[in-house]
Amino acid sequence: AQSVAQPEDQVNVAEGNPLTVKCTYSVSGNPYLFWYVQYPNRGLQFLLKYITGDNLVKGSYGFEAEFNKSQTSFHLKKPSALVSDSALYFCAVRDPTRSSNKLTFGGGTRVLVKP
Amino acid sequence: SAVISQKPSRDICQRGTSLTIQCQVDSQVTMMFWYRQQPGQSLTLIATANQGSEATYESGFVIDKFPISRPNLTFSTLTVSNMSPEDSSIYLCSAMTGGYTEAFFGQGTRLTVV
Repeated sequence: AQSVAQPEDQVNVAEGNPLTVKCTYSVSGNPYLFWYVQYPNRGLQFLLKYITGDNLVKGSYGFEAEFNKSQTSFHLKKPSALVSDSALYFCAVRDPTRSSNKLTFGGGTRVLVKP
Repeated sequence: SAVISQKPSRDICQRGTSLTIQCQVDSQVTMMFWYRQQPGQSLTLIATANQGSEATYESGFVIDKFPISRPNLTFSTLTVSNMSPEDSSIYLCSAMTGGYTEAFFGQGTRLTVV
């Protein structure tokens, strides 16, 4: 079975400071990993993904994430947070060996960036 | 990328009635999914909508309560039947074009059952 954990319900950061949102996963094979962001009253927006290759992946809006196989982690990072980054962030995993192609989501982390 | 349109965006319904949510994708997609989300919470997969065949339901969800149609590669509907206040939630449609790609999401349907 595949699973995702986001250990922090909320992350508070001052504008201009680095932002990190943590994610760990469990999957039987090599994972496909994704980050999504959700703004109030909106659907999920795709930020970035790791499929294979370079462990550091870059995505939309200045976000990046680092895949660490030994720690089974895929933390989301942004060097300098903006107030507009305040939103709900979801990490998700898919096991490519399973034909169902189902995504399993973490519980979500609310990010609050203060001016 | 795919653009997904969901209708309605929100509705308030009486208990015991049914609501059908439509999901239209602007291009052909391989897979379509329906999720449920309580505001501020994580997403729970209801079912995979299979083109031309019965949907594949997750544990805890049944066809009689959540019938799904997918007549072609760009369109799907989810019906919430015989609604109760416990069905109040956000329902999200999702689609993907292949195994290597990310999934895209509609803006969601916020359902309130009174």
